Amino acid sequence: GAVVSQHPSWVICKSGTSVKIECRSLDFQATTMFWYRQFPKQSLMLMATSNEGSKATYEQGVEKDKFLINHASLTLSTLTVTSAHPEDSSFYICSASRSPNTEAFFGQGTRLTVV
Amino acid sequence: RKEVEQDPGPFNVPEGATVAFNCTYSNSASQSFFWYRQDCRKEPKLLMSVYSSGNEDGRFTAQLNRASQYISLLIRDSKLSDSATYLCVVLNAGNMLTFGGGTRLMVKP
Repeated sequence: GAVVSQHPSWVICKSGTSVKIECRSLDFQATTMFWYRQFPKQSLMLMATSNEGSKATYEQGVEKDKFLINHASLTLSTLTVTSAHPEDSSFYICSASRSPNTEAFFGQGTRLTVV
Repeated sequence: RKEVEQDPGPFNVPEGATVAFNCTYSNSASQSFFWYRQDCRKEPKLLMSVYSSGNEDGRFTAQLNRASQYISLLIRDSKLSDSATYLCVVLNAGNMLTFGGGTRLMVKP
C-alpha cells in the first residue's frame, strides 16, 4: 500500500517556541493532505486541508496563524505550530490518499509535548 | 447530532467470542466507508473498506446499509491482538474524511 511518512515521531519543546512537522507521501503524489489532532481518549479532529500550491483550508476554530501549513510540493506538507503552549500538547497526524474517494493512509503521527 | 456515531464501549469480550460494532452516519450523500483500527498511541490503519454488497476478510465482515445509513463490523473468533479502538470512517465530497469517536475493544484471555 501507499506509504505516508511523518517526522518527527515525538518532540518536546519549551513554551513559546515553534515546531515544524513534516508529512511526506513516499510512493505517490498527493495534491491534498489532511492534518488532524487527537487528544487522549478522543477521536481524530480535522484541523485543516493542505492543498498543493495554494492556501490551506482550516476548520472552524483552528487558528491559521498559529498552525501554519505549507504544501510546497506534491509529496510534502508541513505543519508548523507557532509559539507553542502546553495546551497545544497533542498527537498530530497527517493523511493522504492516492486518488480521490479512496482510502486514506496516515503518517505515524507526532506526539508534541510543550513544557 | 454527530455526523458519524459509534458506541464508545469498551467492549470486553473473552478470546474466541464474536463481537459486532455498529456505526451510523448522517450524510446521505456520503460516498465511501471504511473501518480503521487504531492502537494506543499509534496512527489509524485501514482494516477494510465497506461495500453495499458486504465484504469479508478472514475473521472480519463489514456491511453497509445505505437505506438506514448504517455500517457494521463483525469480528469472529476474537484474538487478544484484536484489542484496539475501531474507527468508523466516512468519506464525503471533496475527499473529506469524517471519523466516528471509535469503539474500544478489549479481548481478555
